[in-house]
Amino acid sequence: SQKIEQNSEALNIQEGKTATLTCNYTNYSPAYLQWYRQDPGRGPVFLLLIRENEKEKRKERLKVTFDTTLKQSLFHITASQPADSATYLCALALGRALTFGSGTRLQVQP
Amino acid sequence: DVKVTQSSRYLVKRTGEKVFLECVQDMDHENMFWYRQDPGLGLRLIYFSYDVKMKEKGDIPEGYSVSREKKERFSLILESASTNQTSMYLCASGGSGRIHHEQFFGPGTRLTVL
Repeated sequence: SQKIEQNSEALNIQEGKTATLTCNYTNYSPAYLQWYRQDPGRGPVFLLLIRENEKEKRKERLKVTFDTTLKQSLFHITASQPADSATYLCALALGRALTFGSGTRLQVQP
Repeated sequence: DVKVTQSSRYLVKRTGEKVFLECVQDMDHENMFWYRQDPGLGLRLIYFSYDVKMKEKGDIPEGYSVSREKKERFSLILESASTNQTSMYLCASGGSGRIHHEQFFGPGTRLTVL
């Protein structure tokens, strides 16, 4: 069956360090992969989109990699800040719709 | 500032009631989506629409229907609410056709069915 896996356990890191979140998938061949941020009680907010022919994408302190051989995407936040604390969702583009992972909660300690 | 609005933030209904959740977007997007979000299960797609009067089932359409009479408005209908439909419901809009754009989400409606 098709599956998207993100670490269900929260990731706790110190302010200033790099946070790395993982998104693994099986039995998909997505053309695109997206990352979203979600704060408690709010809808997700789009962060980055990466296409299957792109290995890496950057936006300010954010970096996403996409390895279609490993079927994995890594999401990095450099110089992390307490304001980066949130749940981060990866989503795979399949047909007309997106399929979301269940998210990883990131907690950045001051 | 782009916006997706949902008719209610919190809603409490009784088992068997018919429930309407409304979503409006002001970005002229052709694609609109309804998801539900439950702890540990993430976001699951219920239905989506890629044009007025067009709809497609998502992963969990059972117990739900939708209506898209105008481009900007997409409604989710629970024909006969049940307690297992207690959840956070999120509407989103984004792009057109099969080209994947970012999705813009509304604030969500937390529905409780007693």
